[in-house]
Amino acid sequence: DAMVIQNPRYQVTQFGKPVTLSCSQTLNHNVMYWYQQKSSQAPKLLFHYYDKDFNNEADTPDNFQSRRPNTSFCFLDIRSPGLGDAAMYLCATSRVGTGGYTFGSGTRLTVV
Amino acid sequence: GDSVTQMEGPVTLSEEAFLTINCTYTATGYPSLFWYVQYPGEGLQLLLKATKADDKGSNKGFEATYRKETTSFHLEKGSVQVSDSAVYFCALSDRPRGNRDDKIIFGKGTRLHILP
Repeated sequence: DAMVIQNPRYQVTQFGKPVTLSCSQTLNHNVMYWYQQKSSQAPKLLFHYYDKDFNNEADTPDNFQSRRPNTSFCFLDIRSPGLGDAAMYLCATSRVGTGGYTFGSGTRLTVV
Repeated sequence: GDSVTQMEGPVTLSEEAFLTINCTYTATGYPSLFWYVQYPGEGLQLLLKATKADDKGSNKGFEATYRKETTSFHLEKGSVQVSDSAVYFCALSDRPRGNRDDKIIFGKGTRLHILP
């Protein structure tokens, strides 16, 4: 089945140690998104790629970066994780014009 | 800017009760509207959607009707089950088709507890 896959499901990292979360899709969607969801809150958009064009939300901290080497893969890099970055990170994809979004199962990040 | 407001939870009901979760929106254009469900420890799953006024989205016994006149998209189910316990997010996408700023905006979520 076509889907959005996030690895790993659970990630523990040390305070200040760079960490990378990955997302892959088999849907051939041209848009990929990264959302941060803290406990009991709505998902918050960090950035998205329209094909290779990177679109950063205005309030996304510089500590968060992203890479999209090809259509299928997108990475979220947290350069120096702080305790406040502990959250669920959700990847989503869409094909512009269809009104449909597909979410991965998320990666829960713990910072120790 | 665009926004979604939904009723605060938690909402606690007995099994087989009728469910309504209110959702209203503010948008500059003609948004598509969605309900997503999130089970504990999981990502978001699309529950239903509607893309234009008076459309009714439905899935798994849940329904919501796109009401442009009241800018609402309330979620309803006639008889809830324990397995419906989850967090429900109302959301909108307000970008013209083909616009590269196509993105989705979520409400704060409503936690639903169903008691056996």
